[in-house]
Amino acid sequence: KNEVEQSPQNLTAQEGEFITINCSYSVGISALHWLQQHPGGGIVSLFMLSSGKKKHGRLIATINIQEKHSSLHITASHPRDSAVYICAVGGSQGNLIFGKGTKLSVKP
Amino acid sequence: DAGVTQSPTHLIKTRGQHVTLRCSPISGHKSVSWYQQVLGQGPQFIFQYYEKEERGRGNFPDRFSARQFPNYSSELNVNALLLGDSALYLCASSLWSQRHNSPLHFGNGTRLTVT
Repeated sequence: KNEVEQSPQNLTAQEGEFITINCSYSVGISALHWLQQHPGGGIVSLFMLSSGKKKHGRLIATINIQEKHSSLHITASHPRDSAVYICAVGGSQGNLIFGKGTKLSVKP
Repeated sequence: DAGVTQSPTHLIKTRGQHVTLRCSPISGHKSVSWYQQVLGQGPQFIFQYYEKEERGRGNFPDRFSARQFPNYSSELNVNALLLGDSALYLCASSLWSQRHNSPLHFGNGTRLTVT
């Protein structure tokens, strides 16, 4: 079993839909990161959180430390949100452990 | 301000050769981490350097090595290349070591193809 599991692996949505991507982890963490990767490879850091909830524009990230679970929500999705979304957790040795990513495609 | 820059952007090498990849962090950032991303997979941690010292190493063979220079730029070296080393190599910089939960800034990566 991977230390960081994401679901779903692939997600297709219609423009305007509310989207949720889930991340579960099995290791003790210092922080959890949500990242966005576009075709071509560049990665953008969306959120880093260790408790509670953070919001940035149409994006919301939550984390439940007790349940070892985090969610990324996108409200009013748009085709430009199409990308791979990756969850990564900060390990005790200062490294990051990544999930395999969720490929999101938003159709107009 | 310039973001994290990596060079080269693309590289083709033959099995057995060696390769050097370069990364310049955001100005003022003291930590650089390297990751390998094989097609269809999430990135895998290779190394972390902070203040020119290795602070973490992932599960990669000794063919992989890295260093950080006084200006905080970094090089990743891979010797005796194998076909399986073909991947996107990502560099990320942060102000502090990842032990201190510092936000990460990624470069666009170097795509290495080994034939």
